[in-house]
Amino acid sequence: QLQLQGSGPGLVKPSETLSLTCTVSADSISSSTYYWGWIRQPPGKGLEWIGSMYWSGDIYYNPSLKSRVIISVDTSKNQFSLKLSSVTAADTALYYCVRAEPFYYDFSWGLGRLVTVSS
Amino acid sequence: QPVLTQSSSASASLGFSVKLTCTLSSGHSTYIIAWHQQQPGKAPRFLMRLEGNGDYKKGSGVPDRFSASSSGADRYLTISNLQSEDEADYYCETWDDKTRVFGGGTKLTVL
Repeated sequence: QLQLQGSGPGLVKPSETLSLTCTVSADSISSSTYYWGWIRQPPGKGLEWIGSMYWSGDIYYNPSLKSRVIISVDTSKNQFSLKLSSVTAADTALYYCVRAEPFYYDFSWGLGRLVTVSS
Repeated sequence: QPVLTQSSSASASLGFSVKLTCTLSSGHSTYIIAWHQQQPGKAPRFLMRLEGNGDYKKGSGVPDRFSASSSGADRYLTISNLQSEDEADYYCETWDDKTRVFGGGTKLTVL
């Protein structure tokens, strides 16, 4: 059964870079069927798409975050990662990694990783 | 880029039905959407895919009580025979070329 396990520091200082990794189990991150992505949810608020990485190598980002976000993949470890630079308190959120078929025939959520931005 | 509009809250009684609405912005009325459910304190869960013609395909393990339909720019999620565990936030999602977007979510209270 697919598992998406997010990991990384739960506390990041303002102006620093948030770094999270999603480890994929029971599927290959090189699969041509799915895209891999990140979605976040500030405490008590709704969902916000951060970015998606496709098997083709194409990566797309939320325009509002694009200048600060990098999504990358490590196929040897079956992992993909998120880096968000110059964080502020507004970046405090639960960060979810997901696997999805682009046309919504399938969609899986990870458990989420809470990241707090605070000095 | 499409915008998805959802009512912030809804309520219905145990055992009854409720219909939640997600409205696509002008020019995007044919778009396919996804419905996701987020129970309190849990990660979201994919419910189903819904097309503009009303065809829908549910995710694995989604109860038969959940169904969907469409009318114009409106996308609906209907939950029949409401159970206490259906009390949750419900989000719609769609995509446009290179970007994906969520609606603001509807908080469903089961009375």
